Amino acid sequence: SAVISQKPSRDICQRGTSLTIQCQVDSQVTMMFWYRQQPGQSLTLIATANQGSEATYESGFVIDKFPISRPNLTFSTLTVSNMSPEDSSIYLCSVGVGRGTEAFFGQGTRLTVV
Amino acid sequence: AQSVAQPEDQVNVAEGNPLTVKCTYSVSGNPYLFWYVQYPNRGLQFLLKYITGDNLVKGSYGFEAEFNKSQTSFHLKKPSALVSDSALYFCAVRNRYSGGGADGLTFGKGTHLIIQP
Repeated sequence: SAVISQKPSRDICQRGTSLTIQCQVDSQVTMMFWYRQQPGQSLTLIATANQGSEATYESGFVIDKFPISRPNLTFSTLTVSNMSPEDSSIYLCSVGVGRGTEAFFGQGTRLTVV
Repeated sequence: AQSVAQPEDQVNVAEGNPLTVKCTYSVSGNPYLFWYVQYPNRGLQFLLKYITGDNLVKGSYGFEAEFNKSQTSFHLKKPSALVSDSALYFCAVRNRYSGGGADGLTFGKGTHLIIQP
């Protein structure tokens, strides 16, 4: 299994500002993803973080709002830009080593926008 | 597009009784299926998966799930529930084949499992 460290664990931010969330994995992984879990809701895939190329975004998510970096096989960042209260959610980093393997999740970043 | 349905928002079971949490899926082609559990203020923990082979898969904490291709279901079960099993359970699916943006997991909306002492 992979150990995933996600920082910060929680934050309260002012609307209009940006927050960058970091995800560090203790081993090299093929697949890294970012999910959002809105209050009382399920997880929704934001994007696949691709090493060495632009992230692949799901419908409804755009790079200008959620820029993602993945400089190597163990690290990724997600930025939530120009935040509004609707962005208040838990953001989770997830990793996997193959399509037939389980994904592992970080503890999440609980973001509150005021 | 792939999807997962968990028809019950909440399942209540008395401690010691068997439990079932339902999940049905829709995916083009053959699926990879997963169950995860989320405890309050904690991340998701993997319980079990179906990749291929036996339709009955066993996982952590005494949980098991049965893959039924004809009914496109993957219900989670446990023969004897514990109060500590109370949590939020998510079923998830991934298409076996890549492409079309299907690399990530698609989750159901989750089912709250409440085990009463």
